[in-house]
Amino acid sequence: DTGVSQDPRHKITKRGQNVTFRCDPISEHNRLYWYRQTLGQGPEFLTYFQNEAQLEKSRLLSDRFSAERPKGSFSTLEIQRTEQGDSAMYLCASSVGSGTGYNEQFFGPGTRLTVL
Amino acid sequence: DQQVKQNSPSLSVQEGRISILNCDYTNSMFDYFLWYKKYPAEGPTFLISISSIKDKNEDGRFTVFLNKSAKHLSLHIVPSQPGDSAVYFCAASHFNTGNQFYFGTGTSLTVIP
Repeated sequence: DTGVSQDPRHKITKRGQNVTFRCDPISEHNRLYWYRQTLGQGPEFLTYFQNEAQLEKSRLLSDRFSAERPKGSFSTLEIQRTEQGDSAMYLCASSVGSGTGYNEQFFGPGTRLTVL
Repeated sequence: DQQVKQNSPSLSVQEGRISILNCDYTNSMFDYFLWYKKYPAEGPTFLISISSIKDKNEDGRFTVFLNKSAKHLSLHIVPSQPGDSAVYFCAASHFNTGNQFYFGTGTSLTVIP
């Protein structure tokens, strides 16, 4: 299977703990995105990488959130001092692109985070 | 602020009939629109897209229509099949947002056999 993969698929944690999620994009895709989806809502953009450079960050991405893509391949999203409001599905997507062209984003299955 | 809106949370259609899913947007700068389909426990899957230079794009049973003056797009599925039952999200983007997609809240389609 050469789609976008995410690990873990589910994470339950206690308030105040740190969590880290991993995303492996489709291998030839140079762009990688993180979204958050809560119940009854569509995905909300968090951040975007082109290769290893983080080029955009949403105001939703508070200072407790940090994302990296150190070698331009896989990416990690860390949430420090989790709060109950962080409970959501965290989606990763990847695409091919350069310049200002648009390309569809291919999504992974998501990591469902529950903060108790 | 919700820049992309799907005002119908759910839709039921008989198998073989047409399904029409609607989406409205408020930002006139949007110039690229997509539809995604999502099954439970899976990530969204790309379905079809349209750029603002077109008013229609067709791919098999799926057709997307864009009405820029009304800031409205719709997805037509003909004929509808039970396997089409899923949540459908529309999304939009424009040059100044780079690669950020703005998603609607989704419409849950049920195709009744």
